[in-house]
Amino acid sequence: QQPVQSPQAVILREGEDAVINCSSSKALYSVHWYRQKHGEAPVFLMILLKGGEQKGHEKISASFNEKKQQSSLYLTASQLSYSGTYFCGTVGRGQNFVFGPGTRLSVLP
Amino acid sequence: DSGVTQTPKHLITATGQRVTLRCSPRSGDLSVYWYQQSLDQGLQFLIQYYNGEERAKGNILERFSAQQFPDLHSELNLSSLELGDSALYFCASSVNTAAGNTIYFGEGSWLTVV
Repeated sequence: QQPVQSPQAVILREGEDAVINCSSSKALYSVHWYRQKHGEAPVFLMILLKGGEQKGHEKISASFNEKKQQSSLYLTASQLSYSGTYFCGTVGRGQNFVFGPGTRLSVLP
Repeated sequence: DSGVTQTPKHLITATGQRVTLRCSPRSGDLSVYWYQQSLDQGLQFLIQYYNGEERAKGNILERFSAQQFPDLHSELNLSSLELGDSALYFCASSVNTAAGNTIYFGEGSWLTVV
């Protein structure tokens, strides 16, 4: 039931782009994205509710393909502050909210 | 500040002991969630309460229990503690169910079992 995230880890230089993927074997109602810095609480990024919906703010956006039960998080022109672990969280028909295993992103100067 | 308050922030206890972690959700939030995060691990969902009732259960051990009180605060009770229970325990809350609502996390309670 836990969604799968890929890649497990990624290292970028400042200004480079990254894509983090999240997929589930179950039908999804919504997908949430969070970023967590080491030792801190996860911070909400966005929720996607509808199939094919794409949301974003500034240089971080995401898409949700309800039919494929997949979501992708796009980070463009990455900044040092983007470093952290990104978690997707999925809500299926059972309404359980489950986090993926996380993708560790490191942005280097 | 997310508005979710967790106490205590740090706790050190011995194996076999029992501890209670407390969570006050954001004002107006009816759902409370508990998560366990071991060192450099992911967020393991333990349990969810909605308006005082258990809503969903995850990988919560039988030694652990939780409840949500009429004032909507929640407590997570951990008993017969083992070394492997050392972790960061997060409480989170949302207005309603998780489906379409932001889940706000507290700062966490660091539990160290020695």
